[in-house]
Amino acid sequence: QKEVEQNSGPLSVPEGAIASLNCTYSDRGSQSFFWYRQYSGKSPELIMSIYSNGDKEDGRFTAQLNKASQYVSLLIRDSQPSDSATYLCAVGGGSNYKLTFGKGTLLTVNP
Amino acid sequence: GAVVSQHPSRVICKSGTSVKIECRSLDFQATTMFWYRQFPKQSLMLMATSNEGSKATYEQGVEKDKFLINHASLTLSTLTVTSAHPEDSSFYICSAGARTRLSNEQFFGPGTRLTVL
Repeated sequence: QKEVEQNSGPLSVPEGAIASLNCTYSDRGSQSFFWYRQYSGKSPELIMSIYSNGDKEDGRFTAQLNKASQYVSLLIRDSQPSDSATYLCAVGGGSNYKLTFGKGTLLTVNP
Repeated sequence: GAVVSQHPSRVICKSGTSVKIECRSLDFQATTMFWYRQFPKQSLMLMATSNEGSKATYEQGVEKDKFLINHASLTLSTLTVTSAHPEDSSFYICSAGARTRLSNEQFFGPGTRLTVL
């Protein structure tokens, strides 16, 4: 059974700080890795994708992937109150569109 | 690009009635769509994978006769909750698979909130 683990939180950071979200996965054959943001009462929104080891930066967001450790993380720099949401880590096998989701980490950014 | 719509966004119905939810890929063709359910403060739960032109694949524990899925075209999948009961009240979200430059990705619709009285 493929599993994706995330700390459920809540993770609370002050405005302007760096928020660090972590995720581990069980399937070594996984090829694609995604971070979705979900606001309360809304559907998930894709914010980052990463496919190879290392870092990928997009604005204030940086995704980090370490396939040897089966670990993927998301850093949010200069956190804003609008970043307060649940962040879902998702892992794909590559051959189809199916994803395995973690349970999500609730992030609260305090003004 | 890769926009997915759902209709209706919100529905309230009486117990025992059937409710149909539509999921459309607006600017791309999707051979594979997914249906999820999410209860308050809980994680996404995959219900089924919808494949165009073939039967849906249901996850363990999901009643296929209660949650009817039809994927009749490359841009439309429907989920019908038959004989709905209050315990079926939930947030139903569809997603569509799309091939991007680097990988296969899922793009989510805005969700449908079902309340069964």
